Amino acid sequence: ETGVTQSPTHLIKTRGQQVTLRCSSQSGHNTVSWYQQALGQGPQFIFQYYREEENGRGNFPPRFSGLQFPNYSSELNVNALELDDSALYLCASSPGLAAPYEQYFGPGTRLTVT
Amino acid sequence: ELKVEQNPLFLSMQEGKNYTIYCNYSTTSDRLYWYRQDPGKSLESLFVLLSNGAVKQEGRLMASLDTKARLSTLHITAAVHDLSATYFCAVDPDNNDMRFGAGTRLTVKP
Repeated sequence: ETGVTQSPTHLIKTRGQQVTLRCSSQSGHNTVSWYQQALGQGPQFIFQYYREEENGRGNFPPRFSGLQFPNYSSELNVNALELDDSALYLCASSPGLAAPYEQYFGPGTRLTVT
Repeated sequence: ELKVEQNPLFLSMQEGKNYTIYCNYSTTSDRLYWYRQDPGKSLESLFVLLSNGAVKQEGRLMASLDTKARLSTLHITAAVHDLSATYFCAVDPDNNDMRFGAGTRLTVKP
């Protein structure tokens, strides 16, 4: 069974650019959530996708957008990058919206905006 | 707005000692999670607590949930150096908006 994978591992971008981060869910999982973790802080929920539809969104501006594909892999897109977007971006997959509700986290993408 | 508060935020322990990390949250939730994060790494799931009074144990860690008090505890027994990490609690009452605490950075010293 393959776990959650993310790409790329590290990324450096310039302020104002756009970035796409990718996540492959664990086999059999149809739900994916994305989180932003700034240095020294807890993860902040960005949004969740369930069967290709957005199922919940945290307090992030519209320049943070996402997609989930039929194979349940997912993308996080961030437009007009700001310095404060520098963080570790984590995706987590789960087998659905029912119990036991456990999420499995990927290794993360470290984004640096200069 | 849902808030999740952990204390302490920093904890330095001697090996062999016991200690408890506390997690308070501000809204009704019968579901609480504990995660471990090593420096530069992702989150590792430790416990999922799904009901009032739930207690789970794994090795030297034991977690409990009191939904009426909106409180969860993570108890460390006879700490060892390998437990040094940051521990997060999180709640997700609606199953689509997981909120994390700020984390407790644990250092276990010989």
